[in-house]
Amino acid sequence: SAVISQKPSRDICQRGTSLTIQCQVDSQVTMMFWYRQQPGQSLTLIATANQGSEATYESGFVIDKFPISRPNLTFSTLTVSNMSPEDSSIYLCSVGQGLGYTFGSGTRLTVV
Amino acid sequence: AQKITQTQPGMFVQEKEAVTLDCTYDTSDPSYGLFWYKQPSSGEMIFLIYQGSYDQQNATEGRYSLNFQKARKSANLVISASQLGDSAMYFCAMRETSGTYKYIFGTGTRLKVLA
Repeated sequence: SAVISQKPSRDICQRGTSLTIQCQVDSQVTMMFWYRQQPGQSLTLIATANQGSEATYESGFVIDKFPISRPNLTFSTLTVSNMSPEDSSIYLCSVGQGLGYTFGSGTRLTVV
Repeated sequence: AQKITQTQPGMFVQEKEAVTLDCTYDTSDPSYGLFWYKQPSSGEMIFLIYQGSYDQQNATEGRYSLNFQKARKSANLVISASQLGDSAMYFCAMRETSGTYKYIFGTGTRLKVLA
């Protein structure tokens, strides 16, 4: 299965600033997914990122707040923009290969 | 709409005992996949087991087995011979088998294995 390197693993950010999270995959994959896990909650899909096209966002998530780049088949970034304390969450990327998708190790974001 | 329900927010089990984590689902799609993931306190998501909607037999992976009852729309995870390292959050998930292949996750069950 694919191996994903996700950075940063954690960060503490000031409100109003932005943070870019990176995911590097060790093989080419068509679809990458970005999830948010708010404290004590389940995972919620933010968007699906395909190479060469605009990301598809789920209800409640917008591109201005969570811009995504997917420049090639092994890399993607998610930016959390104009952060507020409500954005404090774990953010995970995921790729689909085979049956069980592989997840990155997550980025634990705290906004103060 | 697709939905996953996990009704046990927390469970305790004695070391070396078996434990069942419940999961029910709802979908109108005849073709789907059901998954269980483990999330330790470190935050990563670890794939445990998969069951396809057309699979006739229950899936097994080592100490993990999935009790799939299609008519009841349930996909319970059974962990045999629990170990202290099994203490974690466990998520049941369903994935579309067409379109975007995205997951829908349940709310999770926190399992604590007692020595």
